[in-house]
Amino acid sequence: SQQGEEDPQALSIQEGENATMNCSYKTSINNLQWYRQNSGRGLVHLILIRSNEREKHSGRLRVTLDTSKKSSSLLITASRAADTASYFCATPRDSSYKLIFGSGTRLLVRP
Amino acid sequence: NAGVTQTPKFQVLKTGQSMTLQCAQDMNHNSMYWYRQDPGMGLRLIYYSASEGTTDKGEVPNGYNVSRLNKREFSLRLESAAPSQTSVYFCASSELGQLNQPQHFGDGTRLSIL
Repeated sequence: SQQGEEDPQALSIQEGENATMNCSYKTSINNLQWYRQNSGRGLVHLILIRSNEREKHSGRLRVTLDTSKKSSSLLITASRAADTASYFCATPRDSSYKLIFGSGTRLLVRP
Repeated sequence: NAGVTQTPKFQVLKTGQSMTLQCAQDMNHNSMYWYRQDPGMGLRLIYYSASEGTTDKGEVPNGYNVSRLNKREFSLRLESAAPSQTSVYFCASSELGQLNQPQHFGDGTRLSIL
């Protein structure tokens, strides 16, 4: 069963706009991770937020975590065509180092 | 700086054939993982190896076997391929098998079983 589920499943925006993706999960976690997957490639780790953090930044990425709502969001500001990819959230399984991945959000940034 | 290397990149098999997918990492990571990714779905864990000499089942282990050959290499074997095993297979590694560690992925093996 999926622990994290992303929303929306697909998102199409114009270059320069901001993109927001959401992730909901079911059980208590100690961290949540976001990954990017370009077409035909493996996943690349973007950012990890711990359960005691509410917000984290990395370049144009901003991740928030609301443990009371069991949800996280990934914001990409000033999007570029190169941001076109699928984005996945991942949470630890059974308080272990094994990860459960959501089904992803497919982001298309139009030039 | 190769990271995680998977071979082959593409493979077509007939039902009932066997094959081994290879994975090697050069980051001195202790933990390694095999996932499969089907269209419109996230990754599902097949098997993992917390450290050299240990392997454990993940979510979907049926029809697969693994070998942790050494610290660098972790192979996935399909003994008798079935069409339901058509998928993209990803190998990943992480440091020390601890919490709060990101996983590093290879670029996948695209496997079709006819």
